[in-house]
Amino acid sequence: NAGVTQTPKFRILKIGQSMTLQCTQDMNHNYMYWYRQDPGMGLKLIYYSVGAGITDKGEVPNGYNVSRSTTEDFPLRLELAAPSQTSVYFCASSPQLTNYGYTFGSGTRLTVV
Amino acid sequence: AQSVTQPDIHITVSEGASLELRCNYSYGATPYLFWYVQSPGQGLQLLLKYFSGDTLVQGIKGFEAEFKRSQSSFNLRKPSVHWSDAAEYFCAVGAQQAGTALIFGKGTTLSVSS
Repeated sequence: NAGVTQTPKFRILKIGQSMTLQCTQDMNHNYMYWYRQDPGMGLKLIYYSVGAGITDKGEVPNGYNVSRSTTEDFPLRLELAAPSQTSVYFCASSPQLTNYGYTFGSGTRLTVV
Repeated sequence: AQSVTQPDIHITVSEGASLELRCNYSYGATPYLFWYVQSPGQGLQLLLKYFSGDTLVQGIKGFEAEFKRSQSSFNLRKPSVHWSDAAEYFCAVGAQQAGTALIFGKGTTLSVSS
């Protein structure tokens, strides 16, 4: 009964490095989302996916990429990390529409130095 | 523009006192409304949601919220706050349409004093 699993929980990157934040859900949810959370700013949508093979940009997609090859996995790729990408990243999923609300992962705290 | 406003950044309430957290939204379509709670270092947990029908909805942990269409508000309430309620609370709005994502407010941090 894992729900939404994110790895790693913490990571420090140097400027210019790349990394992939992993997100896996075991609830057979169609919809998956990536948000970033910055202090006092709430959550901002980076990318979302409505099913395997389908992704779309959110409010703040620059500097990120995603893929959705399976229903379960929705990794977020950071290319050429910048200090502005220091944040807490949350992955979430929902079974259909938005009316069931999201199930969130526990987050990845990323620091770019 | 679609948005969610939580006017109070930080609220302090005495343990046992009542609580009301405010949420106002601007949304073009019929809104689906949510309240989430985030404890320090944790992900967000759904407290309650409103889709339609009775405008007073009950959630987990003794929380309730009232939808007021005329005021575009969805305020969260609890009659008696416990120290364990100290957390950050987020209001969110979404649509019926498949594939649309939630829009979150900036959050209200609740502190509970003894």
